[in-house]
Amino acid sequence: IQVTQSPSSLSASIGDRVTISCRTSQSVGDYLNWYQQKPGVAPKLLISSASSLRNGVPPRFSGSRSGTDFTLTISSLHPEDFATYFCQQGHLAPFTFGPGTRVDI
Amino acid sequence: QVHLVESGGGVVQPGKSLRLSCEASGFNFNAYDMHWVRQAPGRGLEWVAAIWHDGSNKYYLDGRFTISRDNSKKTVYLQMNSLSVDDTAVYYCAGSLHGSTWYILDSWGQGTLVAVSS
Repeated sequence: IQVTQSPSSLSASIGDRVTISCRTSQSVGDYLNWYQQKPGVAPKLLISSASSLRNGVPPRFSGSRSGTDFTLTISSLHPEDFATYFCQQGHLAPFTFGPGTRVDI
Repeated sequence: QVHLVESGGGVVQPGKSLRLSCEASGFNFNAYDMHWVRQAPGRGLEWVAAIWHDGSNKYYLDGRFTISRDNSKKTVYLQMNSLSVDDTAVYYCAGSLHGSTWYILDSWGQGTLVAVSS
């Protein structure tokens, strides 16, 4: 299953609303996760099963699904949110990640 | 507190083999499926392999690699053979609760760097 993301990078300011898109090449149901990664650090799980916010993740993060299109939304960008975001499908192994979206200041 | 510590990385020549280890602590290792995910320098994440909690099922991206586990040692391994420069990456181990949520990688180690170079 191929996973694409858009945009590959974006520039935003503190307080901006940011949306990142992920598309799978076939239906994966809700088996889609979102991860945040900062330089030199392991990825961190933000959202699982398309829209379930993980414990400890701020509620400004949300996820949604429409068919094979998935969206990660940050409602109001905080300084610590500047990072790279990856989606990952878990419907079929081998699991596949999107190429990532880098969020810059 | 979930803790995963990878080891075994280093510099290796093309065509050689290397075995990575990942030792777990702070959670019920026997209930977790374990994965290896790699990240080439400046690139994205690539899922490499997974093994079910009891070792009964294994999944791979590449047939040159073999995943195994020793639940008595709370350790998962990745045997990598016929390495090429394209295998140069940080290798992370990650865990997911076995069952319907096995695709959710909720715990990650800090990674170990494998550099394939002559």
